[in-house]
Amino acid sequence: QLQLQESGPGLVKSSETLSLTCTVSGGSISSSSYYWGWIRQPPGKGLEWIGSIFWIGNTNYNPSLKSRVTISVDTSKNQFSLKLRFVTAADTAVYYCAREEQQLPSPYTWLDPWGHGTLVTVSS
Amino acid sequence: DIQMTQSPSSLSASMGDRVTITCRPSQTISRYLNWYQQKPGKAPKLLIYAASSLQSGVPSRFSGSGSGTDFTLTISSLQPEDFATYYCQQSYSTPRTFGQGTKVEIK
Repeated sequence: QLQLQESGPGLVKSSETLSLTCTVSGGSISSSSYYWGWIRQPPGKGLEWIGSIFWIGNTNYNPSLKSRVTISVDTSKNQFSLKLRFVTAADTAVYYCAREEQQLPSPYTWLDPWGHGTLVTVSS
Repeated sequence: DIQMTQSPSSLSASMGDRVTITCRPSQTISRYLNWYQQKPGKAPKLLIYAASSLQSGVPSRFSGSGSGTDFTLTISSLQPEDFATYYCQQSYSTPRTFGQGTKVEIK
């Protein structure tokens, strides 16, 4: 059964860089049917899609964050990572990683499974 | 970006009630619509994908319908474990976007 686990610092100082890693177990990140994504949720609020990556490195980013975000993949470690630069208090959130699945030949995609999430707090 | 509008934002219902949640995207998205359930302190869980396909392991009391700009999630008979927040999400284009959520509470 595929599992995803987020890891990284729970506290980041304002103006610095938030760095998280998602480790995939129970399956290979190098699959032609999946993108791998990051989603965040500020405390008490809704879900915001940050971006996603294909195993060969193709990325999609949310335009609202694009200037500050980099998502990368390390197939040798079966991991993908998120870097968010110049963080502020508004970036305080639970950060989730998830697989974006597509069952070819259907064009539809969905997010499943998700990691448990990790709370990142930006301090001043 | 495609804006996703859910209604209602919250509802109170009793065990056994039929519950309907609506999701309307700001533009047509064919059937590129997914539904998730989130309980406090937990990650979202996929319920319905491609508008009406039930994810494996999800009880059959959950169903989805719709296409284009009008979608519905229905819980046919509300159970204690169904009290949660529900989100719709479009996968028609990037950035992927979510509805604001519908909180289902106990009446």
